[in-house]
Amino acid sequence: DAKTTQPNSMESNEEEPVHLPCNHSTISGTDYIHWYRQLPSQGPEYVIHGLTSNVNNRMASLAIAEDRKSSTLILHRATLRDAAVYYCIGSYSSASKIIFGSGTRLSIRP
Amino acid sequence: EAGVTQFPSHSVIEKGQTVTLRCDPISGHDNLYWYRRVMGKEIKFLLHFVKESKQDESGMPNNRFLAERTGGTYSTLKVQPAELEDSGVYFCASSQTSGSYNEQFFGPGTRLTVL
Repeated sequence: DAKTTQPNSMESNEEEPVHLPCNHSTISGTDYIHWYRQLPSQGPEYVIHGLTSNVNNRMASLAIAEDRKSSTLILHRATLRDAAVYYCIGSYSSASKIIFGSGTRLSIRP
Repeated sequence: EAGVTQFPSHSVIEKGQTVTLRCDPISGHDNLYWYRRVMGKEIKFLLHFVKESKQDESGMPNNRFLAERTGGTYSTLKVQPAELEDSGVYFCASSQTSGSYNEQFFGPGTRLTVL
């Protein structure tokens, strides 16, 4: 299972873009990169995933480095509701369980 | 469409008592997972059902924990007897598929406090 490294915390201003980095230097060639987030008092929720190409959805964008050793989750215009802990997951185990790390706690300043 | 639901939302029990947590997955999801976060630590996997079968129970901490999923629909997680260190938030998740690419949908969690 690929180990991921994320900053413990980040701050951003409302309505500005946010770039959340993740290092996953041991990721294998077939492992997807997933991002989940956990809003206060809620369960984790899926944000986005990708393999090699950059990905966009209604919530965020995922930029994956060419060597796949790192990726960046991009929130294009942060809102107060985006304040959460963001988890970068380098792989699921063969049994499909998510291996959560400590994540990045994102704070948004009004 | 209803999401994953968990009951109760909170439970406060005394050490040595029994507690049963319930999870209702999204309809049609064969895969059901239990996770927990204890004492401010990271969220940890407990077990994975595919329909009514336990696919992986490697995360179950000890034999005081018993998970069931009779009929392949809802699941229960029983803790008997509960210990202080079992306090935490227990999450249930479900997914349509399994493997290295599957989106898991989480419930809001059950906060368990053992006094």
